[in-house]
Amino acid sequence: ETGVTQSPTHLIKTRGQQVTLRCSSQSGHNTVSWYQQALGQGPQFIFQYYREEENGRGNFPPRFSGLQFPNYSSELNVNALELDDSALYLCASNVDRGRVEQYFGPGTRLTVT
Amino acid sequence: EDQVTQSPEALRLQEGESSSLNCSYTVSGLRGLFWYRQDPGKGPEFLFTLYSAGEEKEKERLKATLTKKESFLHITAPKPEDSATYLCAVPRGDNYGQNFVFGPGTRLSVLP
Repeated sequence: ETGVTQSPTHLIKTRGQQVTLRCSSQSGHNTVSWYQQALGQGPQFIFQYYREEENGRGNFPPRFSGLQFPNYSSELNVNALELDDSALYLCASNVDRGRVEQYFGPGTRLTVT
Repeated sequence: EDQVTQSPEALRLQEGESSSLNCSYTVSGLRGLFWYRQDPGKGPEFLFTLYSAGEEKEKERLKATLTKKESFLHITAPKPEDSATYLCAVPRGDNYGQNFVFGPGTRLSVLP
């Protein structure tokens, strides 16, 4: 167990809708990253938050946005859902952005129809 | 550009048949190479971190090794419960923190 939790476990949305996914990091971990993992592929980095501010972003459009809160929880928001957004979304927490070791949550499976 | 490739894409072994998985990487300034195990629909489970060429780490039937350009995950006498996708990843070289570049994974099936 990594101590990182995500909710919900599964989610089904319709194209064009908006979705919010949630992650709870280990206590004391001030850095969280979000990844998208399409079926049969490795995770792709979406963005990272450090002390409630975005600290880096991968090749994802602005309709992917996030928030990090002081209580070690965070959110991934996706607007105007597209069919290709169907994937497993993973969050990973880290004790500090200067440390490379990260701990993954179980993921949220998003299906867009 | 930082890049990670893995081979083979899929591997089927008989129980007890040892083999190796390969991870090749290109990154400016290696700050660690990570191996994860991932079961279907689950998050990656940490296995090993290797930091320098020549380093080796073992856990049960798994042994990871690292050279300057690649890493191997050796599986000795595998069991059906070792069936999973094995991912390797490196921290991206252009910043610090947990922006990882992942390989596509190797899907391992161990048949009884």
